[in-house]
Amino acid sequence: DTGVSQNPRHKITKRGQNVTFRCDPISEHNRLYWYRQTLGQGPEFLTYFQNEAQLEKSRLLSDRFSAERPKGSFSTLEIQRTEQGDSAMYLCASSHRTVNTEAFFGQGTRLTVV
Amino acid sequence: AQTVTQSQPEMSVQEAETVTLSCTYDTSENNYYLFWYKQPPSRQMILVIRQEAYKQQNATENRFSVNFQKAAKSFSLKISDSQLGDTAMYFCAFWSGNTPLVFGKGTRLSVIA
Repeated sequence: DTGVSQNPRHKITKRGQNVTFRCDPISEHNRLYWYRQTLGQGPEFLTYFQNEAQLEKSRLLSDRFSAERPKGSFSTLEIQRTEQGDSAMYLCASSHRTVNTEAFFGQGTRLTVV
Repeated sequence: AQTVTQSQPEMSVQEAETVTLSCTYDTSENNYYLFWYKQPPSRQMILVIRQEAYKQQNATENRFSVNFQKAAKSFSLKISDSQLGDTAMYFCAFWSGNTPLVFGKGTRLSVIA
């Protein structure tokens, strides 16, 4: 297992288009998190899953954003009708539910909306 | 809701010197975990050090150590013998088990040769 994998690494899209990102967590990890990070800021929580259940969704997340984790494995994050303000790095992380286990991060998907 | 505050947006240190990054947090929880993550330029976030709130002893990992003051809700990171490869953004983070990690805004550390 090579760690958390995110695809694509970069995405440029026109305003109004839909985009979908994929995250493959570490195989034995049952928790998966999505964060958004803008330049010079800390990661901002979007949503997280335990297995296939979406446990929490940030109030900052508009209804244009949706995330899924079918079968508790990989996850997808879709943004509909993208806006320039959606331009950011989207980070995925995974962890095991038991204590003493940190979250491992992927390299992120950098979205640019033009 | 938990909050994490890093009051130093930028810091610099000479190579081989020691630097301390500050972090304070606010929570009503008694059992939680605190982390320092490092994010080098254009690279992924990696864990530097972890502290369990129930442990009184401060965590250490080689050149990295923390000063955990539970009553003051303070969690600072000390980097000894700074190296050029320590140049990165450093994020303090809080986790209480059934919540996602909450991050501070980060401190940009530059190690100068």
